[in-house]
Amino acid sequence: EAQVTQNPRYLITVTGKKLTVTCSQNMNHEYMSWYRQDPGLGLRQIYYSMNVEVTDKGDVPEGYKVSRKEKRNFPLILESPSPNQTSLYFCASSLYLGDAYGYTFGSGTRLTVV
Amino acid sequence: KQEVTQIPAALSVPEGENLVLNCSFTDSAIYNLQWFRQDPGKGLTSLLLIQSSQREQTSGRLNASLDKSSGRSTLYIAASQPGDSATYLCAVTARDDKIIFGKGTRLHILP
Repeated sequence: EAQVTQNPRYLITVTGKKLTVTCSQNMNHEYMSWYRQDPGLGLRQIYYSMNVEVTDKGDVPEGYKVSRKEKRNFPLILESPSPNQTSLYFCASSLYLGDAYGYTFGSGTRLTVV
Repeated sequence: KQEVTQIPAALSVPEGENLVLNCSFTDSAIYNLQWFRQDPGKGLTSLLLIQSSQREQTSGRLNASLDKSSGRSTLYIAASQPGDSATYLCAVTARDDKIIFGKGTRLHILP
């Protein structure tokens, strides 16, 4: 089944403890992207990647890192999480930016930083 | 900077009615516009995507239109059902490679 898989689904961590949220797609998509969703603010793009080894900042990249060493994986790294990074995170992919088939989203990761 | 607005923020309609959700964007330089559905606490499900060169797309009871020159899109839902209750989001893929979402319209279909 074609899908975007995020892990973990739920995560509670403490301030300052490095964490990684994984994202993997099995559709050979070139474009991958991370979003956070907050009440009243909607979905905001954190980082995106047009292809392997190519990443760019979205609208809210501060406090996050990403890497794209292989096509299928696009992990989101929080080096020193803070409570304001408590949010619902989504990973998405598409064949390429602007692809006619659009974007496929993962099921989300609910992160709580205490 | 591209901004996407969805009005209304919330909408309640009786079952069986036809309804229209609105999405507006400030910069017409887009690759495409996509409509999604999101159930509470869940991920996003793609409904329809309209390329910048297209005027509309249809899937079942759903019809999405795009007027790029005026910066507007509508999602028309025919014969609404309680199972249509969800939050509907529109997103534009801008020419600067960013994807911008509206804040959504929370739809409640009254049985």
